[in-house]
Amino acid sequence: DIQMTQSPSSLSASVGDRVTITCRASQSIRSYLNWYQQKPGKAPELLIYAASSLQSGVPSRFSGSGSGTDYTFTISSLQPEDFATYYCQQSYSPPRTFGQGTKVEI
Amino acid sequence: QVQLQESGPGLVRPSGTLSLTCGVSGDSVSSSNWWNWVRQPPGKGLEWIGEIHHTGDTYYNPSLASRVTISVDKSKNQFSLKLTSVTAADTAVYYCTNRRIGLDFWGQGTLVTVSS
Repeated sequence: DIQMTQSPSSLSASVGDRVTITCRASQSIRSYLNWYQQKPGKAPELLIYAASSLQSGVPSRFSGSGSGTDYTFTISSLQPEDFATYYCQQSYSPPRTFGQGTKVEI
Repeated sequence: QVQLQESGPGLVRPSGTLSLTCGVSGDSVSSSNWWNWVRQPPGKGLEWIGEIHHTGDTYYNPSLASRVTISVDKSKNQFSLKLTSVTAADTAVYYCTNRRIGLDFWGQGTLVTVSS
């Protein structure tokens, strides 16, 4: 199985801050890396797929980058509605494992 | 816009079988998508359970593979999850979702509690 190590597990930030979350795979996943946002009581929402492609309708302040085993998710200017938990997920091979999640708090 | 809706019992007895169905609208289960199940225990992270293609190909999480079956019903445009020999550790919100590259569309999720 491919293990996904996401960091940090939580962070405190303010509106307007730049926020960065990293995800490391235990082997190369060839950019088959997705990022999701989950708010309390809601289903996750796909934000970024294939490491850097923005899902339709998602604001451009969200971005992703990386290749091989190391990936980064960035919110360029944190907005009040962005306080949530973020997960990475590899879709390179089954089981399609998730990272542990990063809770973004005020 | 694809819409998915989970349905099934919210309470399952220990050692019993958890059975959920996901109704699909706005797309066909016979499309090129893969149809997935993901779960989330209360207060914890996301766990991928498995997926199915309309051809019948399936992949399961090895940690659950001995207990899980995912099937598709083309006539009803739905797919299903069965998890046998459940314990309290299987208590979770269960989501159905589709995958093209990422998991694009999700059901609202259904809480299944394992308790006597």
